Amino acid sequence: GESVGLHLPTLSVQEGDNSIINCAYSNSASDYFIWYKQESGKGPQFIIDIRSNMDKRQGQRVTVLLNKTVKHLSLQIAATQPGDSAVYFCAENGAGDDYKLSFGAGTTVTVRA
Amino acid sequence: DAGVTQSPTHLIKTRGQQVTLRCSPKSGHDTVSWYQQALGQGPQFIFQYYEEEERQRGNFPDRFSGHQFPNYSSELNVNALLLGDSALYLCASSLAVNTEAFFGQGTRLTVV
Repeated sequence: GESVGLHLPTLSVQEGDNSIINCAYSNSASDYFIWYKQESGKGPQFIIDIRSNMDKRQGQRVTVLLNKTVKHLSLQIAATQPGDSAVYFCAENGAGDDYKLSFGAGTTVTVRA
Repeated sequence: DAGVTQSPTHLIKTRGQQVTLRCSPKSGHDTVSWYQQALGQGPQFIFQYYEEEERQRGNFPDRFSGHQFPNYSSELNVNALLLGDSALYLCASSLAVNTEAFFGQGTRLTVV
């Protein structure tokens, strides 16, 4: 079946460096995408979203890129900090009567001091 | 704004019992969705409530049921608990489809 997936299960980053987390999706009908951050023992925290009519969106220290041609989504974190250590999920929202968010398995980001 | 709140935070139940989890959505939100998150996995969609009705359901058995109240709060009920129902149960609220969905801190259910 169609699902959202992440390229790498883990990512180790030096503090101060930039992080790039990738996500591949297979449902070409999806028109809304969200990145979430989940810390241990907590619920997913909204980071940034993007709609299918856009290819880039920037927030505070984060940028999401959407490439619909290859069905790829990425999250870039600038100047990674220890507080960025968490599991990151991309989620897609289908079009039409599909209201649910479909999540991948997540990427665990560890920031090295 | 308290955001999405869930209760209880932790719960231990015996196999075969029934459980009710509760969720209060973020102020101004009218749509509530429930997700199950097994350890080490992404959340899996259970169902969504809008205008006090189940609008969409994921691939979960009928043992999972829910309700939405006029104040938009919601309950998730699970009957005949199985060991495999042990998970983090998450509630998310939003104002409309394809808009920001905010999650609560979850209820950690352990079935023994």
